[in-house]
Amino acid sequence: GAVVSQHPSWVICKSGTSVKIECRSLDFQATTMFWYRQFPKQSLMLMATSNEGSKATYEQGVEKDKFLINHASLTLSTLTVTSAHPEDSSFYICSAGRGGEKLFFGSGTQLSVL
Amino acid sequence: QQQVKQSPQSLIVQKGGISIINCAYENTAFDYFPWYQQFPGKGPALLIAIRPDVSEKKEGRFTISFNKSAKQFSLHIMDSQPGDSATYFCAASFTGTASKLTFGTGTRLQVTL
Repeated sequence: GAVVSQHPSWVICKSGTSVKIECRSLDFQATTMFWYRQFPKQSLMLMATSNEGSKATYEQGVEKDKFLINHASLTLSTLTVTSAHPEDSSFYICSAGRGGEKLFFGSGTQLSVL
Repeated sequence: QQQVKQSPQSLIVQKGGISIINCAYENTAFDYFPWYQQFPGKGPALLIAIRPDVSEKKEGRFTISFNKSAKQFSLHIMDSQPGDSATYFCAASFTGTASKLTFGTGTRLQVTL
């Protein structure tokens, strides 16, 4: 099966700092990547859709200036949480598609903002 | 129109028993219905998926039953094992180019000895 690598798996940062999360498709080229946020015991909430070489499409209510997404190549998308605050603490997950409807998920990043 | 409703919220099944999780969708344009398994602190992993042109799909101990007229689909886990204890999400999307998944609310399954 296709492998999506997400890094780091957990990060602790101080309030006001920025954090970058990487999502890589290891054995396929991902035309589209998705970023999700998941709170404890809840479902995945789609934040944005990232297409290689173009601007990300954000879901309603997601601040695009706070959650910067860059999809510079067919194998790498990054999510930067800018000026992080405690309320941004969450589990962030990426997924990647290679042209069909199947999506492959990364292992997630637990962000804790102190 | 975009909702996928999932039940039950949690489920306790004895080892060897059958676990059944149900989902219902509203948008009749959905044509791809995957199930994901998620362990704590991990990303979801694709378990099994079905399209509406078939009523059942089986892979090992996992079976999806699909009722197009009722707009419902369910996951059956036969001979449930403690290692199956996880959160299960149903989802729906459109076929073709990788499309946004609409997720159900999740079911926490616990398989006891």
